[in-house]
Amino acid sequence: GAVVSQHPSRVICKSGTSVKIECRSLDFQATTMFWYRQFPKQSLMLMATSNEGSKATYEQGVEKDKFLINHASLTLSTLTVTSAHPEDSSFYICSARTGWQPQHFGDGTRLSIL
Amino acid sequence: AQKITQTQPGMFVQEKEAVTLDCTYDTSDQSYGLFWYKQPSSGEMIFLIYQGSYDEQNATEGRYSLNFQKARKSANLVISASQLGDSAMYFCAMREGGSNYKLTFGKGTLLTVNP
Repeated sequence: GAVVSQHPSRVICKSGTSVKIECRSLDFQATTMFWYRQFPKQSLMLMATSNEGSKATYEQGVEKDKFLINHASLTLSTLTVTSAHPEDSSFYICSARTGWQPQHFGDGTRLSIL
Repeated sequence: AQKITQTQPGMFVQEKEAVTLDCTYDTSDQSYGLFWYKQPSSGEMIFLIYQGSYDEQNATEGRYSLNFQKARKSANLVISASQLGDSAMYFCAMREGGSNYKLTFGKGTLLTVNP
């Protein structure tokens, strides 16, 4: 089955640090990648949709300058949380899709900002 | 209005029994897809089953089946012969036509399988 790798799985860092999270589709070329945020005991909230070679489309209320998304190739998308603060602490999870296949998800990244 | 409604915040089932997790949806599109994902406590999202709006047969994948009732706009997940490893959050999601393949998720149901 389709495999999506997300790295790192856990990050703990100081306030003000920028954090980069990578999402890779290992065995397929992903036409589109998605980035979600999930607070404890809540559902997934879509942050942005990323198509290879074009700018990401952000959902309403998501700060573009805060959450930088780069989708440089058909197998790699990155999310950079810039100047992270404690309120950015959350579970971030990416997914990738191609054709009419369902979205396949990475294992997620638990981000803790001290 | 919510597009995906999961009315059961939590469900309990005895091991080896079947359980139904409810999901209703709201869309005006003719073409859409419905998905179920499982999220264990470790956090990963595992794709379980898919039903297209034009599919006449209910989808099945091993112990999972989707009870699709289009007129009622419901897409309930049925897990047969529950196992302890089935304990997890279950999310129903919808992909609408022309949505750039975005998924809208329900709030989830926490399933606990008791031995």
